[in-house]
This record gives sequence, C-alpha cells and structure tokens, in this order.
Amino acid sequence: EAGVAQSPRYKIIEKRQSVAFWCNPISGHATLYWYQQILGQGPKLLIQFQNNGVVDDSQLPKDRFSAERLKGVDSTLKIQPAKLEDSAVYLCASSAGLAEYNEQFFGPGTRLTVL
Amino acid sequence: QKEVEQDPGPLSVPEGAIVSLNCTYSNSAFQYFMWYRQYSRKGPELLMYTYSSGNKEDGRFTAQVDKSSKYISLFIRDSQPSDSATYLCAMKRAAGNKLTFGGGTRVLVKP
Repeated sequence: EAGVAQSPRYKIIEKRQSVAFWCNPISGHATLYWYQQILGQGPKLLIQFQNNGVVDDSQLPKDRFSAERLKGVDSTLKIQPAKLEDSAVYLCASSAGLAEYNEQFFGPGTRLTVL
Repeated sequence: QKEVEQDPGPLSVPEGAIVSLNCTYSNSAFQYFMWYRQYSRKGPELLMYTYSSGNKEDGRFTAQVDKSSKYISLFIRDSQPSDSATYLCAMKRAAGNKLTFGGGTRVLVKP
C-alpha cells in the first residue's frame, strides 16, 4: 500500500513570496490533515478535511494560509505572503475516517525555508 | 502553559540500556494516548496506542498511562542504535481524531 505522498520535499523562498505544497493521501482515506512542525517542536494541526469539507481550521492563520481539497482526494496548502516564522516542515497525514480509533499516517513532509 | 509537556533531551544511552521517556498533560479531556517515532527528515510513525490507564507491551516497547496523574511513559528495552530518533507523545480527545503533540524527545543510542 502506497503511503502519503508530498511534494516538493524542500522549498526555499524569500519573505513575501508565495508557496504551495501538494499532498496525495492514502487511497480511500476520507480524512486529511495538514500539520506545521517548527524545528525542535511537535507537529501542530493547521487544518482537517473530511472528504472535501473542512472539519477544523481553527489554528490556520487565515490571513496568509489557505488550503483546499476540491475533489476529496489531493490537497494543496498555500502560503501567501510568506513570513520568516513560516519556516517549518509541513506534514500531511491521512486517516480512514474521523473516529478516534483511525490511525493517522504521515507523509515525509515539505521543508520550507523562508529567507 | 502547553497542553502537553515533554522534555526535549537529548537523551543519550549506551546500546542495550533501557530508554525511559515521559509526558505530562493538563487537559483531562484527553482520552487516547500515543507514542510516535520520527527519524530525521521523515514523518512521524505510530509506535504505541493506548486508551486506559495501565501498561501496554509490544515487543521491546512498553507504554504506561496514569490518567489520575496526567502522566504517560514509554520504555524501550534493549535499545539499539536504530532506535535513535525523536519520540513524540500525542493525545486525542474522545471525538474528532485530532492529535495534540508534545515537543518531542531526541534519543541517541550509542553503540
């Protein structure tokens, strides 16, 4: 079974530029998550989708971050404009559903450096 | 105050030693407790998943949960250099399948 795929793996941009990350979850997984992991910290949930609907985006900085999952499969996370403090690894995860017994499987992440 | 506290380490042990990791939490709404292992430049992978207070064993790994003290632990027996990684505790409330992570403890097992 293929895992969660993310691209690009690395991205370097200057502040105020825009950037987008892509995630392809495990086939059949209805729930998709984006996490931000700053160096030396644990992942922090940014947004959670169930199929193509948003379940929780309470920790997403909506003035600069946006995410979509239009067809309920792939998802993109965008930052516009980027700030220095956005430097982090952006992890995508998926699970079969919202129930608490559903394991979340993580992708390798996209490492963003904002200069 | 963070909801989940975890000592960042690093924790350095000789090969074959027992690794002891722990987390404390403040929110009694957390009902499910997990330990993830994260290698450098990889995503976290689930090691242990527990619900009730008590012990759960899986091979060289033992997870303990004490809900009354809001304290969870992970023990790794007969540690190997391949166990060198960052270990993250994580917790969930009763519904919603949303993880709240600790900051992670970096572990180094020296041959």
